[in-house]
Amino acid sequence: DIQMTQSPSSLAASVGDRVTITCRASQGIRSDLGWYQQKPGKAPKRLIYGASSLQSGVPSRFSGSGSGTEFTLTISSLQPEDFATYYCLQHSSYPWTFGQGTKVEIK
Amino acid sequence: EVQLLESGGGLVQPGGSLRLSCAASGFTFSSFPMNWVRQAPGKGLEWISSISGSGDTSYYAGSVKGRFTISRDNSKNTLYLQMHSLRAEDTAVYYCVRDWGAFWGQGTLVTVSS
Repeated sequence: DIQMTQSPSSLAASVGDRVTITCRASQGIRSDLGWYQQKPGKAPKRLIYGASSLQSGVPSRFSGSGSGTEFTLTISSLQPEDFATYYCLQHSSYPWTFGQGTKVEIK
Repeated sequence: EVQLLESGGGLVQPGGSLRLSCAASGFTFSSFPMNWVRQAPGKGLEWISSISGSGDTSYYAGSVKGRFTISRDNSKNTLYLQMHSLRAEDTAVYYCVRDWGAFWGQGTLVTVSS
């Protein structure tokens, strides 16, 4: 099984900050990775697919990069509505695996 | 507009069975693989099963293999998850997810407890 190691597990940031979250795959997954945002009591929402493609309707302050084993989600200027938990998901091979999640909190 | 509406969750005793349904609309259901993902209370996301568009290929997480069965009825635009031998650790919100995660249902809560 492919393990997805996501870091950090949590972070505190201020509005306007640049935020970076990383996922490392235990083996190469090409660009078969998505990033998801989840707010309490809600279903996850996909932000990025194919490691770097922005989902339609998602603000351009979100961006993704990487391929192979190292991936990054960047929020260029954190907004109040961005405080949430973020997950990566690899769908390169079964079983699909999620990262452990990163909770972004207000500083 | 793509819509996925799960149903069938509830309280079940350990060792019991439950069948979840996901009614899909707004897209050509048979053209897309479908998945079930769950989230235990206060925990992260866990993929548990996928099925191809035609329904002839399916995959399972080790934690549910042999106990859960994914299926679909393309004539009814509905995805199913039959769950047997339920355990306390199966308690979670179960989400129906289209293809590689573009669309998610609102989830249905399954509680396994005596």
